[in-house]
Amino acid sequence: SQKIEQNSEALNIQEGKTATLTCNYTNYSPAYLQWYRQDPGRGPVFLLLIRENEKEKRKERLKVTFDTTLKQSLFHITASQPADSATYLCAHDYGNKLVFGAGTILRVKS
Amino acid sequence: EAGVVQSPRYKIIEKKQPVAFWCNPISGHNTLYWYLQNLGQGPELLIRYENEEAVDDSQLPKDRFSAERLKGVDSTLKIQPAELGDSAVYLCASSVGTSGSTDTQYFGPGTRLTVL
Repeated sequence: SQKIEQNSEALNIQEGKTATLTCNYTNYSPAYLQWYRQDPGRGPVFLLLIRENEKEKRKERLKVTFDTTLKQSLFHITASQPADSATYLCAHDYGNKLVFGAGTILRVKS
Repeated sequence: EAGVVQSPRYKIIEKKQPVAFWCNPISGHNTLYWYLQNLGQGPELLIRYENEEAVDDSQLPKDRFSAERLKGVDSTLKIQPAELGDSAVYLCASSVGTSGSTDTQYFGPGTRLTVL
């Protein structure tokens, strides 16, 4: 069955650096990938959607790539700030629903 | 614009007791979702409504879980009886369109359920 995986270990980086989070999927070829941010005690907040025919998408300091050959999406935050610290979830379409990964915790230290 | 409202925010119950969660979606959003999120995991879809119709309830454990969406607006998710393994965060989300996979979903803060 389809599976979506994100790094289970937290990513710790220094303020100002670029954070790169990875999302891998198997046994399925999604048409869309979405990225969400989730803060403790809150629901996920939508960040970006990328389609399979789009290699890259940007929004302010965020960039997402979608590599259908590697079956992977990368999520980048440039010039990271402590306020970017959160859990980042990727999700892909599966039929008419979203399947989420477990998320990766990002900690940005000043 | 008000976001998705959920209540209660926290609930602690004894096992075998019933419990209900309430969700008020964003005004004008046709599609409503209930998700379950275990600690350290991503949300998992329990049920999706388009207006008042449940169009995907394949992941809802129907022996103990039930849901309704009256008049295509507010929704209630019920568990009866609750089991220890039901301890989790129950998230409600809504979207304008009816695509459960591409529409932007707006999530509420969730209800954290603890079953003792």
